Amino acid sequence: AQTVTQSQPEMSVQEAETVTLSCTYDTSESDYYLFWYKQPPSRQMILVIRQEAYKQQNATENRFSVNFQKAAKSFSLKISDSQLGDAAMYFCAYRSSLSGGGADGLTFGKGTHLIIQP
Amino acid sequence: ETGVTQTPRHLVMGMTNKKSLKCEQHLGHNAMYWYKQSAKKPLELMFVYSLEERVENNSVPSRFSPECPNSSHLFLHLHTLQPEDSALYLCASSLGLRGEKLFFGSGTQLSVL
Repeated sequence: AQTVTQSQPEMSVQEAETVTLSCTYDTSESDYYLFWYKQPPSRQMILVIRQEAYKQQNATENRFSVNFQKAAKSFSLKISDSQLGDAAMYFCAYRSSLSGGGADGLTFGKGTHLIIQP
Repeated sequence: ETGVTQTPRHLVMGMTNKKSLKCEQHLGHNAMYWYKQSAKKPLELMFVYSLEERVENNSVPSRFSPECPNSSHLFLHLHTLQPEDSALYLCASSLGLRGEKLFFGSGTQLSVL
């Protein structure tokens, strides 16, 4: 079974600075998908960024980018120019690409609480 | 707004009550999910439905009973729950099962007294 580990329960960053959230995972599969989700106080999980394991290029979405190291099974999220609205819980998640394997849905880490200091 | 709506937003129930959680999506998705989110624990997948058929049941106690009458609606029927079942219950949907991103609702915060 796949596991996802987020070793930072909480992170704090000054507004406008850059912060990196860590995520590692364990899998025996070679093809899969990785995600970062954000959960603000409204509780709704919002997709931040998605990475396909067979793509070597790191995904980017505006101020959000990832550092995907497949061999090391590492998938960190970098947030540039942090804004107050970025304050939330951030969850790293894994999904198999195998037929039927996707029925496992997403496997989540425990989350990192990101605090933005004004 | 992700297009996935959950009701009620909050629910308090006694251990002998019967209640239902509702989830609705109008995104044209074919797969729907129930997740349980407890404090200090990763989200736990409870049930997966694809094209209205259950494809996954992660050893969830029988006091939780899902129902998917059509591809747009998903229910979670609750009966004789325990206090440890208190949690945030999240519904999600996706276009398919293979690598597709999930769209989540805002959840139902359940308290069992």
